Amino acid sequence: GEDVEQSLFLSVREGDSSVINCTYTDSSSTYLYWYKQEPGAGLQLLTYIFSNMDMKQDQRLTVLLNKKDKHLSLRIADTQTGDSAIYFCAESLYYGGSQGNLIFGKGTKLSVKP
Amino acid sequence: DSGVTQTPKHLITATGQRVTLRCSPRSGDLSVYWYQQSLDQGLQFLIQYYNGEERAKGNILERFSAQQFPDLHSELNLSSLELGDSALYFCASSEVGGDSDTQYFGPGTRLTVL
Repeated sequence: GEDVEQSLFLSVREGDSSVINCTYTDSSSTYLYWYKQEPGAGLQLLTYIFSNMDMKQDQRLTVLLNKKDKHLSLRIADTQTGDSAIYFCAESLYYGGSQGNLIFGKGTKLSVKP
Repeated sequence: DSGVTQTPKHLITATGQRVTLRCSPRSGDLSVYWYQQSLDQGLQFLIQYYNGEERAKGNILERFSAQQFPDLHSELNLSSLELGDSALYFCASSEVGGDSDTQYFGPGTRLTVL
């Protein structure tokens, strides 16, 4: 079945770059997403990438997609303490001519040290 | 603010009871998804409705049911509650048929079963 895997923890120093990695299994996924969850809060959409793209940049965020290896990464440049949160990678299942439900990884807890 | 609203924010109840969680999607979104987030299972898809009709089912227990009303709000009904049903329940909505069918999440309802 479909599965999304991420490392559970990442610790970086303020000002450094953070790279969060994710692997997925469903080759039919056409969109891949990154969500952020702060303590006690809901899921905030950060960015997404279409499967025919290799890279997408959005301000401090860069998403890299290696479709052959089914590997997705999220790079946060100049990481700040406010970036401390859990980051979820998700793939969407495609059916009925449109995207369907999301399959989430377990989430990577990013800790940013001052 | 994603534009998706969920009520109540917190719910504390006893085993064997029944509760109803409510979700209002973003204006214009026809599709509603329900997800459960627990420590052991992570984020799991429960069920999707599109314009009032059930579209997809995930790991939803038979004790749970949902519906989407003509005004597009949705309710998730959980009955014969067990301790293991304690979790954060998220609703998400999407346009479906749009550019990426991106799902936007509500703030969640935290259910505690005692």
